[in-house]
Amino acid sequence: DQQVKQNSPSLSVQEGRISILNCDYTNSMFDYFLWYKKYPAEGPTFLISISSIKDKNEDGRFTVFLNKSAKHLSLHIVPSQPGDSAVYFCAARARLTSGGATNKLIFGTGTLLAVQP
Amino acid sequence: GAGVSQSPSNKVTEKGKDVELRCDPISGHTALYWYRQSLGQGLEFLIYFQGNSAPDKSGLPSDRFSAERTGGSVSTLTIQRTQQEDSAVYLCASSPRVSGHGYTFGSGTRLTVV
Repeated sequence: DQQVKQNSPSLSVQEGRISILNCDYTNSMFDYFLWYKKYPAEGPTFLISISSIKDKNEDGRFTVFLNKSAKHLSLHIVPSQPGDSAVYFCAARARLTSGGATNKLIFGTGTLLAVQP
Repeated sequence: GAGVSQSPSNKVTEKGKDVELRCDPISGHTALYWYRQSLGQGLEFLIYFQGNSAPDKSGLPSDRFSAERTGGSVSTLTIQRTQQEDSAVYLCASSPRVSGHGYTFGSGTRLTVV
């Protein structure tokens, strides 16, 4: 049961244009969402996050949008740069039924972004 | 240390042998996680240690897999009687107890079972 889905395995965009990476989830108990970036032979690195009480979070060229009713989030990168070429993972954290927090993350399958010069 | 350290970086083993993968988390991080990434797949959760609490082992794929964390720091993931489907990159991560920035990952151990 894939609770976090990234349906596009790859995406190619031109340098300077916008990159939009999408992520869908099924679990309504998710209360925090994160995006990670991964280069080959390296571990994933944290990029940006958003709480479920917000619908947008911006950090420089990176913006994450959350649509809770659609259980959908997206990462926008603008302008895209060749150095952004990497695999991007969407991840979600579930709120415990006890009301507490857990740091256990569920990851999607990733989207390979290629930014063409 | 400054980051999460994993060893070895690469491991080739024969089918049926046991392997141990090591993770040194960031000093002071109370939470430690193991994930694996098989070829063409996402990050699959394996196990999660949080302080002195019982670990969340819900992601371990079989009883051939086990992990321990000694002294609340270093962790070892052990795979017994390895199978070819165990071939993957095994990633360790650590975090403070509650972190809005998620985890800090190590570079992983690439395990190849031949």
